Amino acid sequence: DQQVKQNSPSLSVQEGRISILNCDYTNSMFDYFLWYKKYPAEGPTFLISISSIKDKNEDGRFTVFLNKSAKHLSLHIVPSQPGDSAVYFCAASGQTGANNLFFGTGTRLTVIP
Amino acid sequence: DGGITQSPKYLFRKEGQNVTLSCEQNLNHDAMYWYRQDPGQGLRLIYYSQIVNDFQKGDIAEGYSVSREKKESFPLTVTSAQKNPTAFYLCASSRLLGSNQPQHFGDGTRLSIL
Repeated sequence: DQQVKQNSPSLSVQEGRISILNCDYTNSMFDYFLWYKKYPAEGPTFLISISSIKDKNEDGRFTVFLNKSAKHLSLHIVPSQPGDSAVYFCAASGQTGANNLFFGTGTRLTVIP
Repeated sequence: DGGITQSPKYLFRKEGQNVTLSCEQNLNHDAMYWYRQDPGQGLRLIYYSQIVNDFQKGDIAEGYSVSREKKESFPLTVTSAQKNPTAFYLCASSRLLGSNQPQHFGDGTRLSIL
């Protein structure tokens, strides 16, 4: 049973515009959410995270929004750059003590120059 | 440079053979993890370890084994009991101090069957 879902397998955006990647989760015990970026044949790179006590966290061009009532989070990238083209994974964890992460299936972002 | 090193990058296994994937970290992280990624899927947890000489099964531990004899090292053995071992394997580590610590990943090992 997939507890973290990314329903859009791909997204194309023009350079300079905003990219919005979405993620839904089902487990209300999740209290920490992360976004990772992955290039082919490489490991995921941590991008940004948010705790459940917040509804927004910003780091440069990247902002993550959390809507706990809807069990939904999103990653905004603005302005989008061609180097942002990658697969983006959403992940979540609960209070297991081991920071075990549950991953979505990823969204492939293509930024068109 | 601190980081996580996985080796080899590519590995081939014959039928009935056990193979071991290496994972070393110099980040002084307490916890280490092994994930498997299949095409079009997210990462699934195989095993994790919070402390030396202790490890726990993840969601898909069958056919795999691990050891944690040193804080820096968390090798994964894919045994002959794993009937579908072809996948991209990722090792990760994180701090355990406090909560909400991101996991940091190595660059993975791609395992294929001959």
